[in-house]
Amino acid sequence: EVQLVESGGGLVQPGGSLRLSCAASGFTLSNHWMHWVRQAPGKGLVWVSGINTDGSSTIYADSVKGRFTISRDNAKNTLYLQMNTLRGEDTAVYYCTRPWNFGNYWYFDVWGRGTLVTVSS
Amino acid sequence: DIQMTQSPSSLSASVGDRVTITCRASETISFFLNWYHQKPGKAPKLLIYGASSLQSGVPSRFTGSGFGTDFTLTISSLQPEDFATYYCQQTYSTPSFGGGTKVEIK
Repeated sequence: EVQLVESGGGLVQPGGSLRLSCAASGFTLSNHWMHWVRQAPGKGLVWVSGINTDGSSTIYADSVKGRFTISRDNAKNTLYLQMNTLRGEDTAVYYCTRPWNFGNYWYFDVWGRGTLVTVSS
Repeated sequence: DIQMTQSPSSLSASVGDRVTITCRASETISFFLNWYHQKPGKAPKLLIYGASSLQSGVPSRFTGSGFGTDFTLTISSLQPEDFATYYCQQTYSTPSFGGGTKVEIK
């Protein structure tokens, strides 16, 4: 079964750091770009970051650029999101998600259950 | 960055109703538009990709249309399991989502 399982969320003070992990199973992680998407409580989906198959190329939303770092360990089938200098507005459920290409199009076809990050003093 | 605007932000409808949700891109995105729905406490689920292609396993009452900047998602006959929040997403450039449309029971 294709599955993504996030971990590492929790309560952190403003200015603090947290590292999220996403364990992949049922497919070969190294064949896929991977992304993080977040959702603040009661709000919509917001794309956060993406990384290519070997980790050599990364992209970020402006709101997290310079503070968050996406990385991956294909040998461990794991995706990461290092989050530094956290702010209250970073409070959200963080989902890792796998994109799938179909011809010229792509979409997020597999999602984890998410891990909640709460930034508060 | 491409901004996606959905309307309405919420709607109330009854089982059996025809429902239409619109999504507008701030610049042209060709057919690079996907639709998801999400139920409370769950991850989003893909419904439509490439503006009008139905994802495998998704009921045929869901239809997507549009090109360029204006897109619609139509549910031909709303079912109890369709009460959820719907999101459009563009993948023409760095991905972005619309703000969501919550479909509630009237």
